[in-house]
Order: sequence, then C-alpha cells, then structure tokens
Amino acid sequence: GAGVSQSPRYKVAKRGQDVALRCDPISGHVSLFWYQQALGQGPEFLTYFQNEAQLDKSGLPSDRFFAERPEGSVSTLKIQRTQQEDSAVYLCASSFFSISLAGGTDTQYFGPGTRLTVL
Amino acid sequence: DAKTTQPTSMDCAEGRAANLPCNHSTISGNEYVYWYRQIHSQGPQYIIHGLKNNETNEMASLIITEDRKSSTLILPHATLRDTAVYYCIVRARAHGSSNTGKLIFGQGTTLQVKP
Repeated sequence: GAGVSQSPRYKVAKRGQDVALRCDPISGHVSLFWYQQALGQGPEFLTYFQNEAQLDKSGLPSDRFFAERPEGSVSTLKIQRTQQEDSAVYLCASSFFSISLAGGTDTQYFGPGTRLTVL
Repeated sequence: DAKTTQPTSMDCAEGRAANLPCNHSTISGNEYVYWYRQIHSQGPQYIIHGLKNNETNEMASLIITEDRKSSTLILPHATLRDTAVYYCIVRARAHGSSNTGKLIFGQGTTLQVKP
C-alpha cells in the first residue's frame, strides 16, 4: 500500500475485555514500532520489531500488553484485561532501516492510529 | 537522548513564515535534530532532520546554530493546513540493537495558522 494502515480506527471495549489492534506497515519496511499516545500528550514508545524479531519491548507498560509480527510484515498489538488507563491512541510506524544491514534511512512513517476507549 | 524545550503554542498568519524554535543545549556530537508534526487525528509526519548544516526540503527549512544548542524550523509560507503540533526530537541515528531509532516525543509546539 501507499502508507501504513491500522485497523480498527476506533475501538470501544469494556473494562476487562481483550483487544487486538492491527498494523500493516509499508511493504518492504523492515522496522516496525508501536507507540501509545494519551490525550494531550506526545506519543510514547512501546515496542520495536526488526522483521519478525521483537528487539525492544522496554516501553510495554505491563504484561497485559503483547505484540507480535510473526511473518515480518503485519503486526498485532494485543491488550489483555483492558483497564481505563489503557484508553489512548495506539500508533504504528515503519521504516526501511535494517540493523543487520546497518543502513537505510531511519525515517519513520506513521499510520493514522487506533483510538481505544475503555469504559 | 537529549532533552528538547519548545514553546507550548504559537500563532502565525496565513501566508507568513512560521518560525518554530527548539532548544537542545545538551545535544551530543552524534545526535541529529528531527522534526515531526501531527495534524489533528492523524499520525505524526516526518518533516526534516539535520546534524549541523542547515537543511531545506519541499516542506520546510531547518536552521541549526553553530554550537548546535538550538534550532529553528521554518515553514516559509504557512497555510491553514499547517496547523498542527510540531515535535522537535534529538537522537542519534539508528545503528544497532542498542539504538533502534525509537523516537522520544516531548509535548511539542501547537502551531495555529490563522486566516
């Protein structure tokens, strides 16, 4: 596709429900990032993939948050037993940069985000 | 990654140049200055980046002071569509597993372009 796409764009969940958020990066992009953006704040890093390998998950706020990218393209961010403080916009970004190739532009291209509201 | 300081908000008249300042007094020699912007209800959008020389592209110009402790993003002819939150980010280029290139956003500057 022309850009990073995310689905759904909006998700309403009841407290305690599990949710799954999908990210389709730009074709051929090796690196994939997830960010969380609370209302009125800048995005905050959650986790990073190079291809299918999750190399950095230091930003995941709790073990209720889980991300995967099994085939090195589409990624899913899963939140188990959602809580009200999980309400935020979840942004996905991809870039062509490859650590293993030690090169390529590291400009990140963002999707439109998924707005999660937990009631 | 170095911390940046930006004004919370700025106004600009449509058609005039918008000059957005950023202070990064603790920047290291290998750290670049990146600018992203986020229009309401959209994901952040890359604008420009630079190390020490001034840079220009089709969207904006980036002026970095000689001591690299501050920079200014210039939108030469602001339009209403430039209304957005502008983020100045300082970090080293991604180069390995110890630096994957994750972006650390601050609060940014809310630029309001007025007719």
